[in-house]
Amino acid sequence: SQKIEQNSEALNIQEGKTATLTCNYTNYSPAYLQWYRQDPGRGPVFLLLIRENEKEKRKERLKVTFDTTLKQSLFHITASQPADSATYLCALEGSARQLTFGSGTQLTVLP
Amino acid sequence: EPEVTQTPSHQVTQMGQEVILRCVPISNHLYFYWYRQILGQKVEFLVSFYNNEISEKSEIFDDQFSVERPDGSNFTLKIRSTKLEDSAMYFCASSAGTGGAGYEQYFGPGTRLTVT
Repeated sequence: SQKIEQNSEALNIQEGKTATLTCNYTNYSPAYLQWYRQDPGRGPVFLLLIRENEKEKRKERLKVTFDTTLKQSLFHITASQPADSATYLCALEGSARQLTFGSGTQLTVLP
Repeated sequence: EPEVTQTPSHQVTQMGQEVILRCVPISNHLYFYWYRQILGQKVEFLVSFYNNEISEKSEIFDDQFSVERPDGSNFTLKIRSTKLEDSAMYFCASSAGTGGAGYEQYFGPGTRLTVT
C-alpha cells in the first residue's frame, strides 16, 4: 500500500534561517504532490502543488522540489518567521483527486 | 474570499446514534470531499463526490457512512450508528475544475465529533 513519510516529527529553527522539510513516499507514482499547512484545531490550508514533470515550484518564500526517481519532495521556507510555526503536511493526489496525507512535520521558528 | 463552512463546530453524541455533519462548499466548485483526523493522528481521506455520485471512497467509509448533496449548496456526511472510534475532527473540502487531477483543495474549519 502507499506509504508517505515526513522526516522529523518536529523541527526547530532560528528566525531568519531556511527550514527544509522532507517527504518520502513508496508504492506510488503520483502525478501531483501537494503541501498544506495546518494550525492546531484548524483545517489544512493549501500552499503549493507540483506536477511530476516539474522539478521545482516557488511561491514567495516557499519552494518545493519533486524528484520522482528518489520518490521525494523537499519543502523549503526561506527567511523563516515565528508566524511560519505550524504543522506542514505533504499529500499525494490520487486519480479521483483524493489526497493521502503524511503525518506532518511540526515546525517551530524561534525568535 | 470564498470559504468552505461547516456546521456544527462541535457535536457530542451517544454511541449508536445517527449524526449528520453539514458542509457548504465553495459555490463554483464541483468536487467535494470528506476527511477525518483522529486527535494526534494524520488527516485521512474518507470519500470524494463529483457529479452527484461517489467517485472514490476509502476503507474507512463503510456502510455506516453516507454522503448526500441534498440541494445546490449543502454537502452532508451521515454516520448511521456512531461508535466510540468515530470520535474525530471531520473536515469537508472542495476543489474547482471539471476533470482530471491537479487542483488544490479548500478545507473547512472542521466539526469535532465526540462519541460517548
